Amino acid sequence: DGGITQSPKYLFRKEGQNVTLSCEQNLNHDAMYWYRQDPGQGLRLIYYSQIVNDFQKGDIAEGYSVSREKKESFPLTVTSAQKNPTAFYLCASSTLLKGTTSNQPQHFGDGTRLSIL
Amino acid sequence: AQKITQTQPGMFVQEKEAVTLDCTYDTSDPSYGLFWYKQPSSGEMIFLIYQGSYDQQNATEGRYSLNFQKARKSANLVISASQLGDSAMYFCAMREDNQGGKLIFGQGTELSVKP
Repeated sequence: DGGITQSPKYLFRKEGQNVTLSCEQNLNHDAMYWYRQDPGQGLRLIYYSQIVNDFQKGDIAEGYSVSREKKESFPLTVTSAQKNPTAFYLCASSTLLKGTTSNQPQHFGDGTRLSIL
Repeated sequence: AQKITQTQPGMFVQEKEAVTLDCTYDTSDPSYGLFWYKQPSSGEMIFLIYQGSYDQQNATEGRYSLNFQKARKSANLVISASQLGDSAMYFCAMREDNQGGKLIFGQGTELSVKP
């Protein structure tokens, strides 16, 4: 079955440590996205990528980094510079829009819950 | 300024009744799409329904329909015949088509269905 796999499901970070969240998709989607969700809040965009080896900052990119070396993979690193990393992280992918509006939604993984030790 | 506003933090509905979840949006882009997602307590985001800015008719998907009023910039979700399994967070989101496919989310509405 096609879908998006995020791992791990739960992750704990120690002070000063970088951690990496995995996101893999087999939907052949060009675009991939990382969102952060705080309790009782909506999703906020961290980074997104429309093509391999290219990515753009979202609204809350500080303290995070990404790479897009393969179409299927878009890992997110939460660096020690991110002082409040405790949140639920969701990865999504979609077909890339060209021209007119598309009804294709973003598909989401099951998320990673990150906590501070 | 908020681009997506959901003014109802929480809603209650009796099982088998209909419920409307409000969403207003703000954009100057003439081409955009509006999405509704459901997020159960387990956390996954489930796509429910889509409305494009150029669509002439309101979208419907099974028990879900979208009351799209373009001039008022509102895209309210209507759930008919509520079921206990509909209890979840519901998010309205907008994609402006000149912004690379990014979604902008509202704060969400928590729906509780009473038996």
